[in-house]
Amino acid sequence: AQSVAQPEDQVNVAEGNPLTVKCTYSVSGNPYLFWYVQYPNRGLQFLLKYITGDNLVKGSYGFEAEFNKSQTSFHLKKPSALVSDSALYFCAVRDINRGSTLGRLYFGRGTQLTVWP
Amino acid sequence: NAGVTQTPKFQVLKTGQSMTLQCAQDMNHEYMSWYRQDPGMGLRLIHYSVGAGITDQGEVPNGYNVSRSTTEDFPLRLLSAAPSQTSVYFCASRSGGISTDTQYFGPGTRLTVL
Repeated sequence: AQSVAQPEDQVNVAEGNPLTVKCTYSVSGNPYLFWYVQYPNRGLQFLLKYITGDNLVKGSYGFEAEFNKSQTSFHLKKPSALVSDSALYFCAVRDINRGSTLGRLYFGRGTQLTVWP
Repeated sequence: NAGVTQTPKFQVLKTGQSMTLQCAQDMNHEYMSWYRQDPGMGLRLIHYSVGAGITDQGEVPNGYNVSRSTTEDFPLRLLSAAPSQTSVYFCASRSGGISTDTQYFGPGTRLTVL
């Protein structure tokens, strides 16, 4: 079965500092990986995705993520955090294996990012 | 282009009552799905549909029904609400198949069952 793990429930950083939100995955076959962000009382918004190719993926709002196959990780990063980045972040993996779960998206539990001024 | 819309935004039910959460998308997406979000548990798939007339169960389908009579609409029905169904519900859509396309989410419905 496909799954992702976000080992940190909360990440706190000071504005201007770099931030990392961690994600590890477990899949059979090639992973299709996604990051979503959820602001308070809002739906999820797409940030970026890795399908194939360059291991460093650039996304919205200055975020990027690094795919590491040997460590089965897909950490979300930003060089300089903003207070407005404070939100709930979800890592997800899509099931691309033939069978009844083909196409499903499996989410991690989420990481609450707080950036203080 | 409104994307994915959901109604209502908030709802309070008594145990045993029934209701339908509405979801619509105007992007001509084949694949639509319903998730529930509970604290510390991420999003869990309730039901999904790969096209009009086709639906299937996700991880937590019990207590919920769905139908897909048109490409645009994918309502979620609670036949007899229970307090365990208190949650935030999100509808989502994307292009079909094992597509690499992004999944788009609605703004959510916050449901409380007393």
